[in-house]
Amino acid sequence: AQRVTQPEKLLSVFKGAPVELKCNYSYSGSPELFWYVQYSRQRLQLLLRHISRESIKGFTADLNKGETSFHLKKPFAQEEDSAMYYCALAWWGGSQGNLIFGKGTKLSVKP
Amino acid sequence: EAQVTQNPRYLITVTGKKLTVTCSQNMNHEYMSWYRQDPGLGLRQIYYSMNVEVTDKGDVPEGYKVSRKEKRNFPLILESPSPNQTSLYFCASSLGTGRDEQYFGPGTRLTVT
Repeated sequence: AQRVTQPEKLLSVFKGAPVELKCNYSYSGSPELFWYVQYSRQRLQLLLRHISRESIKGFTADLNKGETSFHLKKPFAQEEDSAMYYCALAWWGGSQGNLIFGKGTKLSVKP
Repeated sequence: EAQVTQNPRYLITVTGKKLTVTCSQNMNHEYMSWYRQDPGLGLRQIYYSMNVEVTDKGDVPEGYKVSRKEKRNFPLILESPSPNQTSLYFCASSLGTGRDEQYFGPGTRLTVT
């Protein structure tokens, strides 16, 4: 079965420090992975996806198929990065395609 | 403005009183889904729909119903709400499937007493 694991419920760092939010997945097919973010009092929104290989707001994430991971990284955290981050896996089986989310990691960036 | 809307945004109700949370999108999206968000449990999918008249169960469908009679609307129905359905509910839509960028609604905070 497909599964997304975010081992940290809460991650607290100081402004300017590097940050890494971990995401591991379980899927036998070819995965498509995403990071969604939810800022306080705002809707969830897409932050980035692995197929685009882009950097958004200074964040990057690399798909490591060997380690089945898709960790989100930023070299210098900012206070405005404080939010809830969700890793998500899109899968396709037969005629169905769907999306599952991890439990989320709350990032707190302290001044 | 392209968006997903949900109504109501806040609802307090009593056990057993049927309720419907509406979800509408104006982007002509094929795929729509419902999630509930609970502390420590993250986002769990309730139901999803690949197209009109095509719906399927997500991870936590018990106690919920949905319908997709029109492409733009995907209401969530609680026939007999119970306190364990107290949660924050999100509707989302995307162009084709779960692989496409999901656009989320603002959320509906439901309390069942």
